[in-house]
Amino acid sequence: AQSVSQHNHHVILSEAASLELGCNYSYGGTVNLFWYVQYPGQHLQLLLKYFSGDPLVKGIKGFEAEFIKSKFSFNLRKPSVQWSDTAEYFCAVNDRTNAGKSTFGDGTTLTVKP
Amino acid sequence: NAGVTQTPKFQVLKTGQSMTLQCAQDMNHEYMSWYRQDPGMGLRLIHYSVGAGITDQGEVPNGYNVSRSTTEDFPLRLLSAAPSQTSVYFCASRDTGNEKLFFGSGTQLSVL
Repeated sequence: AQSVSQHNHHVILSEAASLELGCNYSYGGTVNLFWYVQYPGQHLQLLLKYFSGDPLVKGIKGFEAEFIKSKFSFNLRKPSVQWSDTAEYFCAVNDRTNAGKSTFGDGTTLTVKP
Repeated sequence: NAGVTQTPKFQVLKTGQSMTLQCAQDMNHEYMSWYRQDPGMGLRLIHYSVGAGITDQGEVPNGYNVSRSTTEDFPLRLLSAAPSQTSVYFCASRDTGNEKLFFGSGTQLSVL
């Protein structure tokens, strides 16, 4: 069964600091990879996705992620965080050979101090 | 442009009571799913469906039933609620191109 592991449960940064959130998945088949964000009091929304091609993908609000196939990783990055980035971030994997079943990581809570 | 609609938004149950969480989408998505979100545990898949008449179990299916009689609706039933089912429940749908999930606004359920 596929699984998704997020390395950090809670990250605290000051504004303008750089961000990297780790995500590893364990599955040998073909997958699509996603990062979702959940702002306080809201439901999840898509930040970015990777299906194929260039392993460096760019999403909304200055976020990007790099797919490293050999490491089964899909880490999220942002060069300079803002207070408004305070949210919970989820990495997710769609199993393309199993009806596209979506599995999420445990989430990382990011707190950005002004 | 409703998207994914979940009802109710809040619910309090007593142990042993039953209830149904409703989920409807108007995007003609084949794939629908139910997740529960608990602190520190992310989103865990309860049940999912790849089309009308087809359902399958996710990671944490025990205590929950689902059915998919139409493409639009995917209700989640708790037959005998337990305190361990206190959680926030999200319904999500997706088109067949394996694109992003569209989430409902969630149901906050407390079982006393």
